[in-house]
Amino acid sequence: QQKVQQSPESLTVSEGAMASLNCTFSDGTSNNFRWYRQHSAKGLEVLVSIFSDGEKEEGRFTAHLNRANLHVSLHIREPQPSDSAVYLCAVSGGSSGNKLIFGIGTLLSVKP
Amino acid sequence: DMKVTQMPRYLIKRMGENVLLECGQDMSHETMYWYRQDPGLGLQLIYISYDVDSNSEGDIPKGYRVSRKKREHFSLILDSAKTNQTSVYFCASSLSGGQNTLYFGAGTRLSVL
Repeated sequence: QQKVQQSPESLTVSEGAMASLNCTFSDGTSNNFRWYRQHSAKGLEVLVSIFSDGEKEEGRFTAHLNRANLHVSLHIREPQPSDSAVYLCAVSGGSSGNKLIFGIGTLLSVKP
Repeated sequence: DMKVTQMPRYLIKRMGENVLLECGQDMSHETMYWYRQDPGLGLQLIYISYDVDSNSEGDIPKGYRVSRKKREHFSLILDSAKTNQTSVYFCASSLSGGQNTLYFGAGTRLSVL
């Protein structure tokens, strides 16, 4: 069964410094990867979706996918305090079919 | 404005009481979902609905049932709630059942005492 793991569990960066979050998955035939953001006591908003190896940029958010290494990352350029939230990696396709499997998340804190 | 709305946002119930969580969406999405989120476990799928009266169990359906009588509305029912059902419940919707983006509501925080 697909396993999705995120690292680090928590990350603190200064405003303006790049923030990098990691996600590993167990099924290399997966083909649908999304990063969601969850502000405290709120729902999830999708930030970026990526379906093939390489890079996908959505504003200040860039996802990098390397399926051979079972790895997808999220880079946040010029993070602001309002970006402080939990970031969730979600994977589907392959053995999990259409079902979206979520990681537990990385808590990002951006200090002014 | 695309929206998934959940009611209520906060709910406190006693063990053994019945619980109704409601979810609505204004995007005419065919597929709707109920998840629960617990610390250390992440989001777990309870039920998925592919359209009106077309519901399937997710990974943790025990103790829950659902109802979808209109495309835009999906309810989660806990008959005789248990303390281990204390959690944050999220509803989501998407186009069809394929690998489309899921849009989430703000969640309902349920405490069962």
